[in-house]
Amino acid sequence: EVQLVQSGGGLVKPGESLRLSCTASGLPFNFAWMSWVRQAPGKGLEWVGLIKSKSDGGTADYGAPVKGRFNISRDDSKSSSYLLMDSLRTEDTAMYYCITEVTLPPSVTPRPLWGQGTRVTVSS
Amino acid sequence: DIQMTQSPSTLSASVGDRVTITCRASQNINSWLAWYQQKPGKAPDLLIYKASTLESGVPSRFSGGGSGTEFTLTISSLHPDDFALYYCQQYKTFRYTFGQGTKLEI
Repeated sequence: EVQLVQSGGGLVKPGESLRLSCTASGLPFNFAWMSWVRQAPGKGLEWVGLIKSKSDGGTADYGAPVKGRFNISRDDSKSSSYLLMDSLRTEDTAMYYCITEVTLPPSVTPRPLWGQGTRVTVSS
Repeated sequence: DIQMTQSPSTLSASVGDRVTITCRASQNINSWLAWYQQKPGKAPDLLIYKASTLESGVPSRFSGGGSGTEFTLTISSLHPDDFALYYCQQYKTFRYTFGQGTKLEI
């Protein structure tokens, strides 16, 4: 089965750090670009960042609210992407989702594939 | 970043109604648009991708249309289970952006 399974998350205090994981199965992970989005309670969906495949440079890009505090990495040997969140703020409280794009037969068109999400709560 | 403008923000309808939600992109995204349904406490569920391709297992009363900058999601005959939040997403660029959401309510 093609899927993304997330882990990590939890309750932390402002200023602390947290690492989220996203592990893929059933897809050629080493070619996948991995994105992260979040959804604060009662709010819409916000792009957090992405990491390109190593064959496309392996670089990461971030949204303005998290740039300089969050870091996205990947370990192709484990088919996993990681979101390391430093200097967490109360406004980072959200559900975090990893996303990639896959082509699932019989379709020949790429479509988004989401992880199940993981909750991050930043509170003193 | 590409801005996505979704309307209406709230839509009141009844079981059996035909409804349409609109999503506009700030620049041409070809057909790289997805529609999602979200229920409280759950992750968004993919309904439509590539603007008009129905995701496997999604009822045929859902349909998507449009290309370029203007897109629609139509539900041909509302079922009780369809009352939820709906979002559009552009994936022409990997800096994904989303519409603000439409709450479909009774």
